[in-house]
Amino acid sequence: DQQVKQNSPSLSVQEGRISILNCDYTNSMFDYFLWYKKYPAEGPTFLISISSIKDKNEDGRFTVFLNKSAKHLSLHIVPSQPGDSAVYFCAASAASGGGADGLTFGKGTHLIIQP
Amino acid sequence: SQTIHQWPATLVQPVGSPLSLECTVEGTSNPNLYWYRQAAGRGLQLLFYSVGIGQISSEVPQNLSASRPQDRQFILSSKKLLLSDSGFYLCAWSARTGEVAFFGQGTRLTVV
Repeated sequence: DQQVKQNSPSLSVQEGRISILNCDYTNSMFDYFLWYKKYPAEGPTFLISISSIKDKNEDGRFTVFLNKSAKHLSLHIVPSQPGDSAVYFCAASAASGGGADGLTFGKGTHLIIQP
Repeated sequence: SQTIHQWPATLVQPVGSPLSLECTVEGTSNPNLYWYRQAAGRGLQLLFYSVGIGQISSEVPQNLSASRPQDRQFILSSKKLLLSDSGFYLCAWSARTGEVAFFGQGTRLTVV
């Protein structure tokens, strides 16, 4: 059973517009959420995170929104740039749960920025 | 600053051959260490994690094993590779449980 779901395998957005990547989770113990960006043949790089005590976190062009009641988070990229073309992974953890078993990842969304 | 090294970057191995992938972390002590695998259409799957020397936990039953002989060294091994072991293997570390994990560059393993 997949606890972190990214239902859109791919997303195409025009350069300069807003990219919105979505992520849903099922485990109510998750209290820390992250977004990673991955280029082909490279390891994922950390983008932005949000704790469950917040509903929004912003870092430059990247904003993550968390809706705990809906168990949903989204990553907004404004404005989208060609270098943003990559696979984006949503991840979650029960950081306060005491376990050390890493992050649970979604399957990823391939974002394609068109000129 | 902390860095993570993973090698080799690519590897082609015949079925039935052994495997050893190595990962080292610099600039931190007593990190949590992880091995993930990215398979087509399956995202990032956690294979093993370690909270200390000699302490290994496995998330999924498989043909692989992991060892942590030193504080900042994590090794992924197999005695006999299967075709299904092909994939992109990623080592990662984090300072504490459930926090941001930082990834190595990955190893593309192809079993032929």
